[in-house]
Amino acid sequence: AQSVTQPDIHITVSEGASLELRCNYSYGATPYLFWYVQSPGQGLQLLLKYFSGDTLVQGIKGFEAEFKRSQSSFNLRKPSVHWSDAAEYFCAVAGMNTGFQKLVFGTGTRLLVSP
Amino acid sequence: ETGVTQTPRHLVMGMTNKKSLKCEQHLGHNAMYWYKQSAKKPLELMFVYSLEERVENNSVPSRFSPECPNSSHLFLHLHTLQPEDSALYLCASSQDFGRGAEAFFGQGTRLTVV
Repeated sequence: AQSVTQPDIHITVSEGASLELRCNYSYGATPYLFWYVQSPGQGLQLLLKYFSGDTLVQGIKGFEAEFKRSQSSFNLRKPSVHWSDAAEYFCAVAGMNTGFQKLVFGTGTRLLVSP
Repeated sequence: ETGVTQTPRHLVMGMTNKKSLKCEQHLGHNAMYWYKQSAKKPLELMFVYSLEERVENNSVPSRFSPECPNSSHLFLHLHTLQPEDSALYLCASSQDFGRGAEAFFGQGTRLTVV
């Protein structure tokens, strides 16, 4: 069965500093991978996704993620964090279950941005 | 502005009450989902509907009863809930339910069972 691990529950980054959020997945075949962001009181918004091709994918809001099959990882990065990036970030892997897509989410990483 | 709207945003209900959560999507999508988000736990998929037909019930207790009258609306009927059912309930939709379909989420209903 597929699973996602986000080892960091909280991360604090200074505004303007770089950011990397870790995600490790377990999936028997080629994974479809997603990063979602949830701002306080909001639903989840898709940041980026990887299905195939270039292993470095660009997303919205200046985020990117790199797929590394050998490490079963799909880490999210941003070169310079803004205060508005403070939110919770979820990594997910898509499998198929009885003919439909099933997203399996990690437990999330809460990003705090300090001045 | 989200294309998926959930009402109410907050709900407090007693264990003997009956209430309903509503979700409406304006995106022309064919698949809709209910997720439960509890503190410190991954999002849990509860129900999946495709073209108004339920395709998955993820072993959810019968005190949760979904209804999908058309492809734009999804309800979650609640009755005799338990305090551990307190959570954020998220509705989502996608164009289809194939692998890789992007899910669009509503803002959620914060449910508190007292």
